[in-house]
Amino acid sequence: DTAVSQTPKYLVTQMGNDKSIKCEQNLGHDTMYWYKQDSKKFLKIMFSYNNKELIINETVPNRFSPKSPDKAHLNLHINSLELGDSAVYFCASSPLDRPSYNEQFFGPGTRLTVL
Amino acid sequence: KQEVTQIPAALSVPEGENLVLNCSFTDSAIYNLQWFRQDPGKGLTSLLLIQSSQREQTSGRLNASLDKSSGRSTLYIAASQPGDSATYLCAVRGLGGANNLFFGTGTRLTVIP
Repeated sequence: DTAVSQTPKYLVTQMGNDKSIKCEQNLGHDTMYWYKQDSKKFLKIMFSYNNKELIINETVPNRFSPKSPDKAHLNLHINSLELGDSAVYFCASSPLDRPSYNEQFFGPGTRLTVL
Repeated sequence: KQEVTQIPAALSVPEGENLVLNCSFTDSAIYNLQWFRQDPGKGLTSLLLIQSSQREQTSGRLNASLDKSSGRSTLYIAASQPGDSATYLCAVRGLGGANNLFFGTGTRLTVIP
């Protein structure tokens, strides 16, 4: 199936640990994103990345880092996890050109719980 | 800074009713506006995308309108069904360098059988 996929779906871990969430898209898109959905269900951009440029939301702590081994993958690595990092993290992708037409497609989300 | 607001935050209607969800945004400099549906514990499903030059888009029982100058969009759902129960999110894509979407706070819709 053509889609944006994320693994794992659920992640439970202790404070202070380092963890990664993987994202893959097979839509041939050029741009990928990470969004965070907090406990109030508000979705906010964390990173926007294409093969040329990484744009970081200034409110994101530097414990969070996106890593892209190739155009189809954008993994999210989190160091020294804190309680406040508990949230649902969504990966998304879109084509780079023709911005007015660019629909963003979202993955199923990863629910991170930090204990 | 773009801010997106959705009213109401929650809505309950009996099955069969037509309904309208509202979305407003503060900065009219946008490329497009997208409506999503999110089911509990699930990801986002894109419903409709309206380009900044368009006034409306239709898909089945859904019709989305866009008034860019006033910073407003509506999602009209005709003949609502229990399966329409979900949270509906609108999001705008700004003209800035990043391609990301700015999301509204969502409207939680319940259609009562």
